[in-house]
Amino acid sequence: GAVVSQHPSRVICKSGTSVKIECRSLDFQATTMFWYRQFPKKSLMLMATSNEGSKATYEQGVEKDKFLINHASLTLSTLTVTSAHPEDSSFYICSARDPVRNYGYTFGSGTRLTVV
Amino acid sequence: QQQVKQSPQSLIVQKGGISIINCAYENTAFDYFPWYQQFPGKGPALLIAIRPDVSEKKEGRFTISFNKSAKQFSLHIMDSQPGDSATYFCAAHTGGGNKLTFGTGTQLKVEL
Repeated sequence: GAVVSQHPSRVICKSGTSVKIECRSLDFQATTMFWYRQFPKKSLMLMATSNEGSKATYEQGVEKDKFLINHASLTLSTLTVTSAHPEDSSFYICSARDPVRNYGYTFGSGTRLTVV
Repeated sequence: QQQVKQSPQSLIVQKGGISIINCAYENTAFDYFPWYQQFPGKGPALLIAIRPDVSEKKEGRFTISFNKSAKQFSLHIMDSQPGDSATYFCAAHTGGGNKLTFGTGTQLKVEL
């Protein structure tokens, strides 16, 4: 089946620094990848949709200069949280869509970001 | 109109019992309705899904019932087990928008 690898699973960074999260589709080519944010005991909130080779589409209220998304290849998308602040601490989850499979959305295992 | 309403927020079921989680939607453009299971610290995993032209789908102990006229769908977990304890999310897919809209989640606990 489709596998999406997300790395790192946990990261702690200092306020003001940047951190990059990687999302890879291991056994399929993902033309579209998605980034979500999840607060404790809450639902997944879509942050942005990225298409390979083009600029990401951000949801309303998501700062594109803070959350930089790059989808440079068909198997890799990255989310960079720039100038991180404690309020950016959250669980970030990526998802990739396999265009060959109908409705083939597969999720990564998530990244717990803690900004201190 | 993009919302998917999910209930209950939390649910406690005895081992061997039936767990039922309900979702409702407004947008008739939704064309696919998956259910996801999420364990703490992990990403969601697809459990079962249904398309609106089908009224019921069963996979093992998991069944989706879909009522198109009422714009409601539900997940039934038969013979619930402690290992089923997790958070469950319903979702709805917007075909034209290539997007999943998630419900608010149900925290299920199956007690011995």
